[in-house]
Amino acid sequence: AQSVTQPDIHITVSEGASLELRCNYSYGATPYLFWYVQSPGQGLQLLLKYFSGDTLVQGIKGFEAEFKRSQSSFNLRKPSVHWSDAAEYFCAVGVKTSYDKVIFGPGTSLSVIP
Amino acid sequence: ETGVTQSPTHLIKTRGQQVTLRCSSQSGHNTVSWYQQALGQGPQFIFQYYREEENGRGNFPPRFSGLQFPNYSSELNVNALELDDSALYLCASSFGTGTRSGNTIYFGEGSWLTVV
Repeated sequence: AQSVTQPDIHITVSEGASLELRCNYSYGATPYLFWYVQSPGQGLQLLLKYFSGDTLVQGIKGFEAEFKRSQSSFNLRKPSVHWSDAAEYFCAVGVKTSYDKVIFGPGTSLSVIP
Repeated sequence: ETGVTQSPTHLIKTRGQQVTLRCSSQSGHNTVSWYQQALGQGPQFIFQYYREEENGRGNFPPRFSGLQFPNYSSELNVNALELDDSALYLCASSFGTGTRSGNTIYFGEGSWLTVV
């Protein structure tokens, strides 16, 4: 069965520090992978996506993610965190059969210390 | 902005009542999906509509139903509301579906439903 794991429920970093959010997926075929961000009381904003090609993907707001097939991972990184990055981050895998659906991980809550 | 709009943004219903949530897709998108996000959890897939027909469904009971209209706007209907239905309901639109699409799914801001 397809699934997404985000091992860290909550992470706290200092402003200006680097960030890495972990994501592991279980999917039998070539995955479509996403990272979404959700600010309190808001919907989901797409940060970046991986469909094929270069395994290092650049996204918005200075985020990047690296797809590692051997580790079934798609970790999100940012070199220098800003206070406005505090939010909930969801890793997701797109399942494509006769229809699309996105399976989300449980999320990682990011707090940023000024 | 994703171009996906939902209404209402917040509503409160009583257990046993029925609710209708609405979604307007991004221009040009012919596929709409609905997700339920309970507090503190990731969104869960409810179902998907493509060209006005349901073509995929998650693990939700039949009292969750939907419609997609010719202009690709959509409704989510939930009958016989239960307390556990309290959640954020997200609409997402895309173009094409399944293996015919390689496109991204864009989410709206959601409708917060509280069942008391």
